[in-house]
Amino acid sequence: AQSVTQPDIHITVSEGASLELRCNYSYGATPYLFWYVQSPGQGLQLLLKYFSGDTLVQGIKGFEAEFKRSQSSFNLRKPSVHWSDAAVYYCAVIRGTDSWGKLQFGAGTQVVVTP
Amino acid sequence: DGGITQSPKYLFRKEGQNVTLSCEQNLNHDAMYWYRQDPGQGLRLIYYSQIVNDFQKGDIAEGYSVSREKKESFPLTVTSAQKNPTAFYLCASRGRGDEKLFFGSGTQLSVL
Repeated sequence: AQSVTQPDIHITVSEGASLELRCNYSYGATPYLFWYVQSPGQGLQLLLKYFSGDTLVQGIKGFEAEFKRSQSSFNLRKPSVHWSDAAVYYCAVIRGTDSWGKLQFGAGTQVVVTP
Repeated sequence: DGGITQSPKYLFRKEGQNVTLSCEQNLNHDAMYWYRQDPGQGLRLIYYSQIVNDFQKGDIAEGYSVSREKKESFPLTVTSAQKNPTAFYLCASRGRGDEKLFFGSGTQLSVL
């Protein structure tokens, strides 16, 4: 069965510092990968996605993610964090187009931004 | 503006009571989904519907029921059989041929 692991439950970062959130998946073929962000008491918003092609994908709000097949990873990065980036970030995976919407989510990483 | 509306924002359930969470979308999306979110866990799929009058169980359907009588509406009923209903419930929708899910702002359900 496919699974998604986000090793870091909680990360604290200073405003202006760089941020990297880890995501590992377990699945035989290349899955379709997503990063979503959830602000407190809100639904989720899609940051970026990877299906194929260039392994470095750009998303909204200055985020990017890199797919590394050899490491089964899809880590999210941002060069300079803003206070408004404080949120919970979820990595998610689906197996293919016949499973649209049946996302398998990781447990999420809570990001706290300090002044 | 198009979007997904979940109501109420907060809901309280008494023991043995059924409660219904509302989800309405005006995005003309075919597919709709219900997820449950517990602290420290990712989202888990309860039910989903890809077309009107049809729906399928997700990973944790026991104790829940849904209906899809209209394209824009996908209500979720938490029945008395669901022994641990306290959670944050998220509704989502997706357009045909689109991989992106649009989420509502959620309903927090608590047990009195």
